[in-house]
Amino acid sequence: EAGVTQFPSHSVIEKGQTVTLRCDPISGHDNLYWYRRVMGKEIKFLLHFVKESKQDESGMPNNRFLAERTGGTYSTLKVQPAELEDSGVYFCATRVDTGELFFGEGSRLTVL
Amino acid sequence: GEDVEQSLFLSVREGDSSVINCTYTDSSSTYLYWYKQEPGAGLQLLTYIFSNMDMKQDQRLTVLLNKKDKHLSLRIADTQTGDSAIYFCAESRTGNQFYFGTGTSLTVIP
Repeated sequence: EAGVTQFPSHSVIEKGQTVTLRCDPISGHDNLYWYRRVMGKEIKFLLHFVKESKQDESGMPNNRFLAERTGGTYSTLKVQPAELEDSGVYFCATRVDTGELFFGEGSRLTVL
Repeated sequence: GEDVEQSLFLSVREGDSSVINCTYTDSSSTYLYWYKQEPGAGLQLLTYIFSNMDMKQDQRLTVLLNKKDKHLSLRIADTQTGDSAIYFCAESRTGNQFYFGTGTSLTVIP
């Protein structure tokens, strides 16, 4: 069975540009989470989907970040326009109702 | 607050025991977890402990929980070079939320 897959694995963009990160969950995992880790800091919660609905988006830093999960399958996280402080590793994690959280390998974003 | 705190680095010699510590803030946490991240990989669940337990042992891993002090530790016995990784402590609270620490980078010296 395929795990959680994220794309791209690494993206380097200039300040002001747009980047879209994608997460494909494990099939049947209704719960999908986005997290971000800035170097040397904790992994911070961004938001949580249950199927296509945003259950909790309290961790989204500002309105430059937009997450979607149309159809309740894959999810995208768009940053527009990107700023220097958005650099970090963005993790996607999915799970069934109360089970283990399965993580993707992360998408490293570098904003120059 | 939401802080889950860990030391950033730990070095041990191969064969010794490693102890990675974590403190958390929310006494209502239901489960506490240890995740391992190897280079270039995502986080993988190593072990977890329910908040009403004091200790859990799983082969070389021992998890100790002190609820009074909100302190969690992970002991790895007979540490091997393959144990070199970043270890994240995490707590789950009501509402399906997880809070992670900064991660402790464990280096095992041969």
